[in-house]
Amino acid sequence: ETGVTQSPTHLIKTRGQQVTLRCSSQSGHNTVSWYQQALGQGPQFIFQYYREEENGRGNFPPRFSGLQFPNYSSELNVNALELDDSALYLCASSSQGPLHFGNGTRLTVT
Amino acid sequence: AQSVAQPEDQVNVAEGNPLTVKCTYSVSGNPYLFWYVQYPNRGLQFLLKYITGDNLVKGSYGFEAEFNKSQTSFHLKKPSALVSDSALYFCAVRDMSGGYNKLIFGAGTRLAVHP
Repeated sequence: ETGVTQSPTHLIKTRGQQVTLRCSSQSGHNTVSWYQQALGQGPQFIFQYYREEENGRGNFPPRFSGLQFPNYSSELNVNALELDDSALYLCASSSQGPLHFGNGTRLTVT
Repeated sequence: AQSVAQPEDQVNVAEGNPLTVKCTYSVSGNPYLFWYVQYPNRGLQFLLKYITGDNLVKGSYGFEAEFNKSQTSFHLKKPSALVSDSALYFCAVRDMSGGYNKLIFGAGTRLAVHP
C-alpha cells in the first residue's frame, strides 16, 4: 500500500511569486485535504477535495486554490506569496477512516 | 465551534517512566478525538482515535488515551516511555460544520524522553 507522497520536499520562493505543491493520495482514498502548519503551531485546515470538487474551505484567502485529478492526486496553488505563507504544507488523504498525512512540503518565502 | 487545548508546551520524562500528554476539548455534540505524532521533518502519523465505546482507547506503539466526558479531557498515556517516543504530539477533534470533515488541531506538546 503506497502512502501519501508530496513534492517537492523543500521550496524557496520570493514574495509575490506563485507556487504549486503536489500530492499523491494513498491508494483507495478519494478525499484529499490540505493543511498549513506554521512554525510552532498545529496544522490549520486550508481546504478539502472530493471527486475533483472543493467541498470545504477554511479561513484562507482566495489566492490559495487547489485541484483534484481523476486519479485523486491533488495540487495546492498559492498566488502572490507573502512572507507569512512560509510554513509546512501537509496533504492528507482519507476514505472513511482517519486522515493519513504525507511528509509535507516546507515552503520558505523570502 | 469545536476546539482542543494542549496546556503543556513540553513534557519531560525519564525513560522507563509513565508519560501523560494532556488534551482538553470543547465540542457541541459527541466528540470524535484523535492523537497524532510528528517526528522532525515528517508529516503527522495517526496514533489512535475515540469515537464511541470504551473510555480507554489503545493505539499504535503502546500508546493509549483516556476519554473523560466529565472533565472534557482526552489525555495520551504510555506506561513506560522510550527515548524514541521523543516527538511532537497533537490532539485533534473532528469538526463537521459545513457538512464535511476536517480536523481542528491543538498547538502541540513536545515530549522529551531522557535516558
